[in-house]
Amino acid sequence: QSALTQPASVSGSPGQSITISCSGTSSDIGYYNSVSWYQHHPGKGPKLLIYDVSNRPSGVSNRFSGSKSGNTASLTISGLQAEDEADYYCCSHANGITIYVFGTGTKVTVL
Amino acid sequence: EVQLLESGGGLVQPGGSLRLSCAVSEFTFSSYAMTWVRQAPGKGLEWVSAISTSGDRTYYADSVKGRFTISRDNFENTLYLQMNGLRGEDTALYYCARKSYHNFDIWGQGTMVTVSS
Repeated sequence: QSALTQPASVSGSPGQSITISCSGTSSDIGYYNSVSWYQHHPGKGPKLLIYDVSNRPSGVSNRFSGSKSGNTASLTISGLQAEDEADYYCCSHANGITIYVFGTGTKVTVL
Repeated sequence: EVQLLESGGGLVQPGGSLRLSCAVSEFTFSSYAMTWVRQAPGKGLEWVSAISTSGDRTYYADSVKGRFTISRDNFENTLYLQMNGLRGEDTALYYCARKSYHNFDIWGQGTMVTVSS
């Protein structure tokens, strides 16, 4: 099971919106509505931002939103803030021995 | 506050063994499946293993199957990962995380495992 494909980096100015894509296959993203997104600041444990494609856990800002079309999922961050600078990972339930597969990760830079 | 605290990491020679622990607090441990995720230096996150609430069902990534064993003690509120036959590519920061359906909703800070001679 190969890692899901994300852009290595995405940048934006404060207040702008950015979108991070996460490309998979018909055996993971395309098969399950179990895509989640994580924000990871260095030195800390990752934080769940989005679950089941588009749901936000309690306490997560509504500036974060998720969607899916076919084999590709997306995370949009609106109203970009300096504190959003971090690494972001998608993850999907998958068929096969390796039942969860993460994305390659995207570094978000706030200009 | 819900907390997960990993321990047991360290330096080990190739072919060696190590046992990681994850002590949890402030939630009903026995009600949640749990998982291990790792991050090699400079690399992304990689799912390693998961275990059901009672421990009767376990799952492994292809990269560790047959070498790693996940287990739990619901009386001690602790998750374990026994790692045997360690290789250089197992060098990583190992995180434990609480599993909520197919999501990992609470994470620890990680424990570092270095496999080197």
